[in-house]
Amino acid sequence: QVHLQESGPGLVKPSETLSLTCTVSGGSINNHYWSWIRQPPGEGLEWIGFIYYNGITNYNPSLKSRVTISVDTSKNQFSLRLRSVTAADTAVYFCARAMYSPYSYYFDSWGQGTLVTVSS
Amino acid sequence: SYVLTQPPSVSVAPGQTARITCDGNNIGSKSVHWYQQKPGQAPVLVVYDDNDRPSGVPERFSGSNSGNTATLTISRVEAGDEADYFCQVWDGSSDHRGLFGTGTKVTVL
Repeated sequence: QVHLQESGPGLVKPSETLSLTCTVSGGSINNHYWSWIRQPPGEGLEWIGFIYYNGITNYNPSLKSRVTISVDTSKNQFSLRLRSVTAADTAVYFCARAMYSPYSYYFDSWGQGTLVTVSS
Repeated sequence: SYVLTQPPSVSVAPGQTARITCDGNNIGSKSVHWYQQKPGQAPVLVVYDDNDRPSGVPERFSGSNSGNTATLTISRVEAGDEADYFCQVWDGSSDHRGLFGTGTKVTVL
């Protein structure tokens, strides 16, 4: 059973960059897709993007201009950077494994989530 | 852009059947996945590819998908099924993005 754990600052100032890392244990990061998903307090889920273990990425068009997802296979980790944050980026951020099925992806393993608050 | 609409809430008595809908334009042509989320916890996949269950998910959870509506059905509802439920598709038609429904709060009376 793969286990995912998010880490990073819980507080980020407006206009700065949010940075989070997801560490994967109990399985290899190779040959899988890995994703970031967020949930503002009391709201629904928003897919941010995913990365394949070889570095190929796909981002939500609504966030694409501010997002970078990267992977470090030697550490079994992948990371999220979200630039120029505002209060609207305050959310619980989840990392998840994305499984491919024909013409679709779904998320079968999730981290516990980490709350990131954007405030001065 | 593509939108997935769910009813905000569904109430059901223990032992009865809960049906949660997910409406989207021609959603029957897409694969639909469903997640259960309890307060303060991460979502858990309960149905994928319209009607497949991950190992460990009870047979009481089933799905269907046709036309403009996908449905998650929970049979013989238990108190532990009280949670938020989200549908999800992959919108590959234009934006190529993951998309979640608006979410449904299931209350067990």
